[in-house]
Amino acid sequence: EAQVTQNPRYLITVTGKKLTVTCSQNMNHEYMSWYRQDPGLGLRQIYYSMNVEVTDKGDVPEGYKVSRKEKRNFPLILESPSPNQTSLYFCASSSFVGAPAYGYTFGSGTRLTVV
Amino acid sequence: SQQGEEDPQALSIQEGENATMNCSYKTSINNLQWYRQNSGRGLVHLILIRSNEREKHSGRLRVTLDTSKKSSSLLITASRAADTASYFCATDGNANAGGTSYGKLTFGQGTILTVHP
Repeated sequence: EAQVTQNPRYLITVTGKKLTVTCSQNMNHEYMSWYRQDPGLGLRQIYYSMNVEVTDKGDVPEGYKVSRKEKRNFPLILESPSPNQTSLYFCASSSFVGAPAYGYTFGSGTRLTVV
Repeated sequence: SQQGEEDPQALSIQEGENATMNCSYKTSINNLQWYRQNSGRGLVHLILIRSNEREKHSGRLRVTLDTSKKSSSLLITASRAADTASYFCATDGNANAGGTSYGKLTFGQGTILTVHP
């Protein structure tokens, strides 16, 4: 089944403790991206990647890192999480080849709480 | 920054009625997409309309795009209780806009649709 898999689904952590949220897709998509969703603020893009070793900042990149060493994986790294990073996080992917013809496929989300 | 803004913020209708949601955006786009999200879950892609298209259909969904007014609408006909969800429009950046290209997907705040049985 074509899908984007995020892990973990739920995570509670303490301020300052480094964490990684993994994202993997099995559709050979070039494009991958991370979003956070907060009440009243909607979905905001954190980082995106057009292909392996190509990443760029979205609207809210502060406090986050990403890497794209393989096409299928796009982990989101929080080096020193803070409570304002408590949010619902989504990973998405799309086949690019000039333009996304069929939209983006989203993962099921990771609910992160930083205490 | 929020590109798309949806209207209304919430919509409550009876099963069988049509639901119309509107989206406005600010800058030129490659395409506009509509997504559905059931509470706390991932977004599901519904339909994509390119900047050179004016109308598109998919099952009970009809999307229009007016690039002169920078607006789009999503019509769900003969709604069902299972259509209850949040609906988001998202714009994909314009490759000709210098610097901003595909991949800069920007979402609106969403419309919460409730369909009563």
